[in-house]
Amino acid sequence: DGGITQSPKYLFRKEGQNVTLSCEQNLNHDAMYWYRQDPGQGLRLIYYSQIVNDFQKGDIAEGYSVSREKKESFPLTVTSAQKNPTAFYLCASSIVGGGPREQFFGPGTRLTVL
Amino acid sequence: GNSVTQMEGPVTLSEEAFLTINCTYTATGYPSLFWYVQYPGEGLQLLLKATKADDKGSNKGFEATYRKETTSFHLEKGSVQVSDSAVYFCAPSLVGYSTLTFGKGTMLLVSP
Repeated sequence: DGGITQSPKYLFRKEGQNVTLSCEQNLNHDAMYWYRQDPGQGLRLIYYSQIVNDFQKGDIAEGYSVSREKKESFPLTVTSAQKNPTAFYLCASSIVGGGPREQFFGPGTRLTVL
Repeated sequence: GNSVTQMEGPVTLSEEAFLTINCTYTATGYPSLFWYVQYPGEGLQLLLKATKADDKGSNKGFEATYRKETTSFHLEKGSVQVSDSAVYFCAPSLVGYSTLTFGKGTMLLVSP
């Protein structure tokens, strides 16, 4: 079945450590996205990529980094510079063209920094 | 500027009650319109969509009509179930943006 996988579902880290969240898709989509969701809040865009080897900052990119070396993969690194990293992180993908398109979401990773 | 406004929650209903969740947007052009649903602890799933004026999207008993004249895309269901308890997001595809613009989400709580 085609879809998006995120791993792990739950992640715990000590303060000051960098951590990388995985996102893989087999939908053959060109665009991929990372969102952050805090309790009772909507989605905030961290980074997005519309093509391999290229990505753009979203609304809250500070303290995060990404890479897009393969079409299928878009890992997100939460660095120690991110002041409040504990949150639910969602990855999504879509086709590209004719304006923003329907996005398909992964199941999310809940990151807790202790 | 471009934006989307959803009614604030939580919306609390008894089973079999009628549901309306309002969504309005400001935009130029004719955006595509989406409703997503998020069950507790999960990612978002597309619930329904409409791509042009007067289109009605429908799925699982939920409906929403693309109203160009009022720039609205209100979500409705005639008889909610406990299993419909979730957070619902309105998301227009606004011209000039590279990604969907998500509303803040409306939590729906349905009691037996």
